[in-house]
Amino acid sequence: KNEVEQSPQNLTAQEGEFITINCSYSVGISALHWLQQHPGGGIVSLFMLSSGKKKHGRLIATINIQEKHSSLHITASHPRDSAVYICAVRPSGSARQLTFGSGTQLTVLP
Amino acid sequence: GAVVSQHPSWVICKSGTSVKIECRSLDFQATTMFWYRQFPKQSLMLMATSNEGSKATYEQGVEKDKFLINHASLTLSTLTVTSAHPEDSSFYICSAILGETQYFGPGTRLLVL
Repeated sequence: KNEVEQSPQNLTAQEGEFITINCSYSVGISALHWLQQHPGGGIVSLFMLSSGKKKHGRLIATINIQEKHSSLHITASHPRDSAVYICAVRPSGSARQLTFGSGTQLTVLP
Repeated sequence: GAVVSQHPSWVICKSGTSVKIECRSLDFQATTMFWYRQFPKQSLMLMATSNEGSKATYEQGVEKDKFLINHASLTLSTLTVTSAHPEDSSFYICSAILGETQYFGPGTRLLVL
């Protein structure tokens, strides 16, 4: 069993839909990251969370430390949101290294 | 925001040759950089942690003599794939941390024929 599990693996949505991607992890962590990887391969860091909730534009990320679970929400989705979304955790005691989930491929159709 | 660059963005080489990939932090100093490898449809796998002025720390299963890492300055780390073979074909990504944010390079796609 992977330390970081994401669901769903693939998600297709219509433009405008509200999207949720889930991430569960099995180890104690000091931080959780949500990353976006575009088709060309480039990776952008969207959020870093250690508790609670963060919002940036149409993106919202939440984390429940007790339940070892995080969600990434996209409101009013747009085709340009199509990408792979990756959850990554920094295990407690690991200075800077991340453990990555397998990613969720999101396709938003116009 | 902070930027991490990689060069080249893609490379095709013959089996047995060596390939050097550069990773630069453009507007900040990075004492530590990370090198990842990503195979198609798979997640990023950490290969090694590059430390400025000292030896890199390699993950289990990664051959240090095959994947040579040099972090000679606070803004440059290089990964050299020595005697490349087709199975080394992959997407190589470097990363550096500034504050609480981890910045990723655009990646280098390597194809070994």
